[in-house]
Amino acid sequence: NAGVTQTPKFRVLKTGQSMTLLCAQDMNHEYMYWYRQDPGMGLRLIHYSVGEGTTAKGEVPDGYNVSRLKKQNFLLGLESAAPSQTSVYFCASSYISGRLNEQFFGPGTRLTVL
Amino acid sequence: DAKTTQPPSMDCAEGRAANLPCNHSTISGNEYVYWYRQIHSQGPQYIIHGLKNNETNEMASLIITEDRKSSTLILPHATLRDTAVYYCIVSGGPTNDYKLSFGAGTTVTVRA
Repeated sequence: NAGVTQTPKFRVLKTGQSMTLLCAQDMNHEYMYWYRQDPGMGLRLIHYSVGEGTTAKGEVPDGYNVSRLKKQNFLLGLESAAPSQTSVYFCASSYISGRLNEQFFGPGTRLTVL
Repeated sequence: DAKTTQPPSMDCAEGRAANLPCNHSTISGNEYVYWYRQIHSQGPQYIIHGLKNNETNEMASLIITEDRKSSTLILPHATLRDTAVYYCIVSGGPTNDYKLSFGAGTTVTVRA
């Protein structure tokens, strides 16, 4: 049981380049989330999904797109990377039972945009 | 979701109890209190959650005041591995798609 995995672990981009971050979970969770974390700050929600084929905007969605074509995968895309998108990106999926929302996080992707 | 206020940092001696306060004076009746922690460079980890009753699990205890305006996370016997950033979060559950809003948290340093 791998839990939540993220690919890649590190990436350096030049301004204007595009890339896709992959998040995969093997826990059959319906809810998945993408966060970014800048140095010294808490996590901020970018986009999330409440089920296969659905996506919604979070707190800081500009400059990002997402897709949830399969229940186990949640992709985060940067169409034209900017230095302001240099950050650590975390993916999470949720085990939900009643009012409990236990989010399981991946190890993170460290992205630098030059 | 209601906002939370936590001290930016605190120290704790190894083997002693660590008491982490959180203020959430604007919490509404259907919002739960969650605690997560983030050990250096890793993704956050769920610790515990509660509505109004005190809760305990293998990691920690959660004490919520009767008026629900504040809570305390208790790590009963802190170890060096408990050094982390601890986040107190108030969430509306299904009313806001189970979203969690992570603030700056409290940086807890456990010293030998």
